[in-house]
Amino acid sequence: AQSVTQPDIHITVSEGASLELRCNYSYGATPYLFWYVQSPGQGLQLLLKYFSGDTLVQGIKGFEAEFKRSQSSFNLRKPSVHWSDAAEYFCADLTQGGSEKLVFGKGTKLTVNP
Amino acid sequence: DVKVTQSSRYLVKRTGEKVFLECVQDMDHENMFWYRQDPGLGLRLIYFSYDVKMKEKGDIPEGYSVSREKKERFSLILESASTNQTSMYLCAVGGQGGTEAFFGQGTRLTVV
Repeated sequence: AQSVTQPDIHITVSEGASLELRCNYSYGATPYLFWYVQSPGQGLQLLLKYFSGDTLVQGIKGFEAEFKRSQSSFNLRKPSVHWSDAAEYFCADLTQGGSEKLVFGKGTKLTVNP
Repeated sequence: DVKVTQSSRYLVKRTGEKVFLECVQDMDHENMFWYRQDPGLGLRLIYFSYDVKMKEKGDIPEGYSVSREKKERFSLILESASTNQTSMYLCAVGGQGGTEAFFGQGTRLTVV
């Protein structure tokens, strides 16, 4: 079955430091990949998505992600983290062929220290 | 953007009650989803619907049912609420053809 793995449950970084959140997907064909962010008590907001083309994708709030087929990865990055980036981040993959549905990883909680 | 409205932010119900969670969209999207979110488990798909009166089971459908009588409304039903259904429930809309899926604010359900 299709699955998405986020190896890091919790990450802590200092404000101004760089950030990389890891995501691995299992589906073999070209995936449709997403990163969502959830602030406390809120729904999910789309940061960026990848379907095809350029493997480096730019998103909102200064985030970017790089698709690497050889590693089945779609890692999220930000060069300089702000305190407001503290949230939970979810990677997702869209199933294809038949009914479309989003399969999510278990999430990575980001804490930002001042 | 699509506006996705869930009927309640917080809900407290008793064990054995029948519970209805409502989700309404303001656009014309075919796909609607119900997820359950628990700490450490991420979002797990309960049911989804790709058209009126059409539904498919997700990964954890046991103890739940759904109804989609109109395109804009997708209801999640807990036939007989149990304490292990205490959770955050999220409705999502869209995602067809790889487009963005939009989420509601969530309903935090507590079953006592």
